[in-house]
Amino acid sequence: GAGVSQSPSNKVTEKGKDVELRCDPISGHTALYWYRQSLGQGLEFLIYFQGNSAPDKSGLPSDRFSAERTGGSVSTLTIQRTQQEDSAVYLCASSQTPLALYDGAVQDVEQFFGPGTRLTVL
Amino acid sequence: DAKTTQPTSMDCAEGRAANLPCNHSTISGNEYVYWYRQIHSQGPQYIIHGLKNNETNEMASLIITEDRKSSTLILPHATLRDTAVYYCIVRVALRSGYSTLTFGKGTMLLVSP
Repeated sequence: GAGVSQSPSNKVTEKGKDVELRCDPISGHTALYWYRQSLGQGLEFLIYFQGNSAPDKSGLPSDRFSAERTGGSVSTLTIQRTQQEDSAVYLCASSQTPLALYDGAVQDVEQFFGPGTRLTVL
Repeated sequence: DAKTTQPTSMDCAEGRAANLPCNHSTISGNEYVYWYRQIHSQGPQYIIHGLKNNETNEMASLIITEDRKSSTLILPHATLRDTAVYYCIVRVALRSGYSTLTFGKGTMLLVSP
């Protein structure tokens, strides 16, 4: 079966333009996550979807960032009025079951990552 | 606010065991420790996770100290393809009450011939 796919693999845009990044999770995975990885840094959590709803958007860095998920499958991360500091690799991951409410007692299931979209804002 | 600390980089000779340490002194009694790795230009890949017992799978072994304040990931016979950044992760709570995996900077493992 196919893994998580993301498109485009590379995106170069000019400052101030809007961009859309797409993620196709593994079929049947109900949970979907977006992360950002800046050069030489660890992964920064952005947003998490359970089905089509996003119970936690606290990681989105500004109101220029938004995301949606339709049909419990494909997700789109949109960055409006891009800035140079938005340049990074944007990674999407999916898992079979959702993140637990934080009680520490439930083990998360494995997250499967896509190859990422490298965004360069000139 | 990273909950784990790892060395920035490590070297290992091909065929030898690679032992990657991780400190997680603030871990709660029922939180799991996860290990992922990221090969250059790829997304992270799950390796193993554990609570308090040592774990082993086809990729690696995980040794967790009795007090659970540290752990070691062991690649028993490292190959050149194991060159990657290795992340030791403990779940962190989000404001919503949900949790996520927080990836720090990890350990860059370089396996040499």
